Amino acid sequence: AQTVTQSQPEMSVQEAETVTLSCTYDTSESDYYLFWYKQPPSRQMILVIRQEAYKQQNATENRFSVNFQKAAKSFSLKISDSQLGDAAMYFCAYRNYGGSQGNLIFGKGTKLSVKP
Amino acid sequence: DAGVIQSPRHEVTEMGQEVTLRCKPISGHNSLFWYRQTMMRGLELLIYFNNNVPIDDSGMPEDRFSAKMPNASFSTLKIQPSEPRDSAVYFCASSPSRRATIGQFFGPGTRLTVL
Repeated sequence: AQTVTQSQPEMSVQEAETVTLSCTYDTSESDYYLFWYKQPPSRQMILVIRQEAYKQQNATENRFSVNFQKAAKSFSLKISDSQLGDAAMYFCAYRNYGGSQGNLIFGKGTKLSVKP
Repeated sequence: DAGVIQSPRHEVTEMGQEVTLRCKPISGHNSLFWYRQTMMRGLELLIYFNNNVPIDDSGMPEDRFSAKMPNASFSTLKIQPSEPRDSAVYFCASSPSRRATIGQFFGPGTRLTVL
């Protein structure tokens, strides 16, 4: 069974600085998807960024980028120029490419605080 | 686009009562997921549907939980009878396909408190 591990329960960053959130996963599959979700205090889950495992190029969405290391099964999220609105829980998630498995497997989350 | 709609947003009930949570997925999405989030266990998948058919319900904790999707635009999660340990935030999510690359779109969640 696949697992997702986020080893940092809490992180803190100064406004305008850069922070990296770690995520590792375990799978025997070669094709899969990885995601980062943001959950602000409103509790809504918001998709931040996604990565297809077959793509070598790291995904980027504005201030958010990932460092995808397939061999190491690592998928970290970098937030540049941190803003107060980035404060939230961040969840790393894994999903198989095909078959009947359409569901996401989530890590336990990292709580990010942004200091003004 | 209204996004995934869940109701109610908050529910407080007494132990033993029946609770029904409702979800309207995004129009055109044919996969629907029910999750439960607690501090202790994090986010857990309860059940998911594809084209209104339950595909995997292995996450449903016990027989007290049941889910239905009578049509493409509506799903319910029912707990009968409810217990205090069912207190959690329940999320509904939808995606265009089981194999969608764009992830799942989550609703705002229903915060359930069972006294």
